[in-house]
Amino acid sequence: QSALTQPASVSGSPGQSITISCTGTSSDVGGYNYVSWYQQHPGKAPKLMIYDVSNRPSGVSNRFSGSKSGNTASLTISGLQAEDEADYYCSSYRRSSTVVFGGGTKLTVL
Amino acid sequence: EVQLVQSGAEVKKPGESLKISCKGSGYSFTSYWIGWVRQMPGKGLEWMGIIYPRDSDTRYSPSFQGQVTISADKSISTAYLQWSSLKASDTAMYYCARHRGSVATISYADYWGQGTLVTVSS
Repeated sequence: QSALTQPASVSGSPGQSITISCTGTSSDVGGYNYVSWYQQHPGKAPKLMIYDVSNRPSGVSNRFSGSKSGNTASLTISGLQAEDEADYYCSSYRRSSTVVFGGGTKLTVL
Repeated sequence: EVQLVQSGAEVKKPGESLKISCKGSGYSFTSYWIGWVRQMPGKGLEWMGIIYPRDSDTRYSPSFQGQVTISADKSISTAYLQWSSLKASDTAMYYCARHRGSVATISYADYWGQGTLVTVSS
């Protein structure tokens, strides 16, 4: 099944804000409020950063925020820090009782 | 404390079978979905499938249907991912993850195992 579409890479300087997009269809992102975002550092397991479009788990910095418009979800990181450099993946529930990930976005902090 | 502890790394030959495990603790194992995620070397995350241990309701991604089997033993709070005949292309890191959601919809993965590296090589 086709993955959700994310930019391969984004970059920003410390203190700046960046946004990562995640585009799907009306069968996944656009049809349900079950979009989540994960951060993965090299050699580590993914970590949940945003769930159900815009909710932050306990312990996740409020510099991370999520939103959705139509078939596109977005993750915004404000006040970029060196430790934010990682791969980011979006995920959505998809009609037919499955889950689908995006292809991943590599964030570089310049 | 919620924990998912996966079995150790495996090195197998093509055509061999394999079953890897994921043991949950610190929560009610039968009340949450457990899913499996593949990450091939240098690549992204791929959702493989999921099981609800209470009744063994299992769903697969179309990409993995028929390629793997997901099961669970609720008496020992353990989920499994198994192959009957491995291929070199099965070489990857495999993660289990606890998912939130209902019988109708599956939502986010809030806790992840440490990963099991499977290497298939002749």
